[in-house]
Amino acid sequence: EADIYQTPRYLVIGTGKKITLECSQTMGHDKMYWYQQDPGMELHLIHYSYGVNSTEKGDLSSESTVSRIRTEHFPLTLESARPSHTSQYLCASAGSNYGYTFGSGTRLTVV
Amino acid sequence: GENVEQHPSTLSVQEGDSAVIKCTYSDSASNYFPWYKQELGKRPQLIIDIRSNVGEKKDQRIAVTLNKTAKHFSLHITETQPEDSAVYFCAALSWAGGGNKLTFGTGTQLKVEL
Repeated sequence: EADIYQTPRYLVIGTGKKITLECSQTMGHDKMYWYQQDPGMELHLIHYSYGVNSTEKGDLSSESTVSRIRTEHFPLTLESARPSHTSQYLCASAGSNYGYTFGSGTRLTVV
Repeated sequence: GENVEQHPSTLSVQEGDSAVIKCTYSDSASNYFPWYKQELGKRPQLIIDIRSNVGEKKDQRIAVTLNKTAKHFSLHITETQPEDSAVYFCAALSWAGGGNKLTFGTGTQLKVEL
């Protein structure tokens, strides 16, 4: 079934560690997005991509980076995790009809 | 860029009553307005959307209205049920950097009480 997949679902990591959150979609969508969200709260756009080799920073200042080497894959990397990065990270994709499909999210805790 | 304001932030209704959530947007070029429902611990899911060439759209107990002149749109839920309890987000599509992205409202926590 076409969907968008995020791994890991939960992650607890120590301060200073480098981490990569994975996001892959089988929707055939060209546009992909990363949002940061504290549970039930506002969605903050941190990165987005309109296609391969296209990446842009979003509205929320972030110490993360992204890459888009393949259409279906849009990983998010934190070079040095800090407790302030503790949050939920949601990946989304969109096709020509504009509607977003969200992944189930990665809940990150930095200790 | 686009700015979307959403009200109220919390809404409590009795089961069977109607619920209305309102949003305003700033960019007159925005032409697509979806609504997402996020249940506790789950991903946001699209429940209804409307394009700027339409004034109203209905899907069973859910309806969305759009007033382009005033730049506001609303979600209407009739005959509310406990399973409608969730956080609802409105959004508006804007164009940036050669593509498009949604700007979300800040969310409304809807609680349907028995």
